[in-house]
Amino acid sequence: QKEVEQNSGPLSVPEGAIASLNCTYSDRGSQSFFWYRQYSGKSPELIMSIYSNGDKEDGRFTAQLNKASQYVSLLIRDSQPSDSATYLCAVTHGSSNTGKLIFGQGTTLQVKP
Amino acid sequence: GAVVSQHPSWVICKSGTSVKIECRSLDFQATTMFWYRQFPKQSLMLMATSNEGSKATYEQGVEKDKFLINHASLTLSTLTVTSAHPEDSSFYICSASRDRGRSNQPQHFGDGTRLSIL
Repeated sequence: QKEVEQNSGPLSVPEGAIASLNCTYSDRGSQSFFWYRQYSGKSPELIMSIYSNGDKEDGRFTAQLNKASQYVSLLIRDSQPSDSATYLCAVTHGSSNTGKLIFGQGTTLQVKP
Repeated sequence: GAVVSQHPSWVICKSGTSVKIECRSLDFQATTMFWYRQFPKQSLMLMATSNEGSKATYEQGVEKDKFLINHASLTLSTLTVTSAHPEDSSFYICSASRDRGRSNQPQHFGDGTRLSIL
């Protein structure tokens, strides 16, 4: 079992729709969770961080965390073609304080005009 | 926001050459920096954790003598790929977080260095 799992996709949604990206993790000791967006040929860009159970909203993005289910998700409302990218879920490595992240393999999102 | 600068962005060189990549935190002091490698259509693979003033911590399977890391100041870490070969061709990306010991600080990534060894 991979430490952080994501469906590689591609996930295709029409422009204006809600895109839902999911991630599960194996280490119950993980404390911090991040979503990064990576355009082809570029480096990752931080989109959201979430640390406690529940929802966190920032503009069109909402991150959801459920530590009991070891599940974190990212919702993108009113999806735009410019949102087309690979979205990486990242989880801190257990309860250590090194800041080391474990990345999922990423989900490719395609937003069609 | 935090900015991490990485240089060079693109390198093409002959097999056997050593290549140095620089990673700088521009508006904060980074006691910890991370070096990743990413092959096409794959996720980021952590190579090592660079610690200011001490030795880097390498991930399993990463050759310390092949990938030399130096973190001599709070704003600069360097990765040197020694005697590079075609199989070392990859996208190398650094990241920095503001404060070691506070794992809730997100990592901010440099723009990456695309290394091609002929």
